[in-house]
Amino acid sequence: GENVEQHPSTLSVQEGDSAVIKCTYSDSASNYFPWYKQELGKGPQLIIDIRSNVGEKKDQRIAVTLNKTAKHFSLHITETQPEDSAVYFCASSGGGTSYGKLTFGQGTILTVHP
Amino acid sequence: GAVVSQHPSWVICKSGTSVKIECRSLDFQATTMFWYRQFPKQSLMLMATSNEGSKATYEQGVEKDKFLINHASLTLSTLTVTSAHPEDSSFYICSARTGALDTQYFGPGTRLTVL
Repeated sequence: GENVEQHPSTLSVQEGDSAVIKCTYSDSASNYFPWYKQELGKGPQLIIDIRSNVGEKKDQRIAVTLNKTAKHFSLHITETQPEDSAVYFCASSGGGTSYGKLTFGQGTILTVHP
Repeated sequence: GAVVSQHPSWVICKSGTSVKIECRSLDFQATTMFWYRQFPKQSLMLMATSNEGSKATYEQGVEKDKFLINHASLTLSTLTVTSAHPEDSSFYICSARTGALDTQYFGPGTRLTVL
């Protein structure tokens, strides 16, 4: 089955700096890659996603890049703010019998220091 | 749009009792709903996939007789933890997907504590 590796497990930045989180996946048939933000005691919130026919997508301070050849994708947050502090999860949705199912990475605890 | 609710948000029960958790899509029809389990400081683990009007598909290692899932309508799925034991204590989260798109929208989660 699909395997998603996420790094780093923790990331600490100063307010205003950029943060980058990277994920690799194993199933070359995967074609959908969402990123979720989870605050303590809450459910994951979709913040951005990308599909395999696109190499990059941006939404204000958040961007995601995808390299299908290398099977990795990254989340970029610019001008970080304290409210960006949370756990971030990447995920992939595989093809075939795994269509529509999300496989999650291990998560990254992002701390933005004011 | 794309709001998913869960009820209750937290529940405490005695060992041996059953607990039902509801997942509702509030502003869209969910052809597929998913149930996840999350232990503290860990990632989300898919438990089962449910499609409206059909039996749920469980992931390997998930006891279907212990975690009963019903998806009776396009806006409601329920997860019943039967004969709960302390090791079933966890954060249970549902998600919903509409149509053919992959996008899953998550509920706020239900914290289950079994004494």
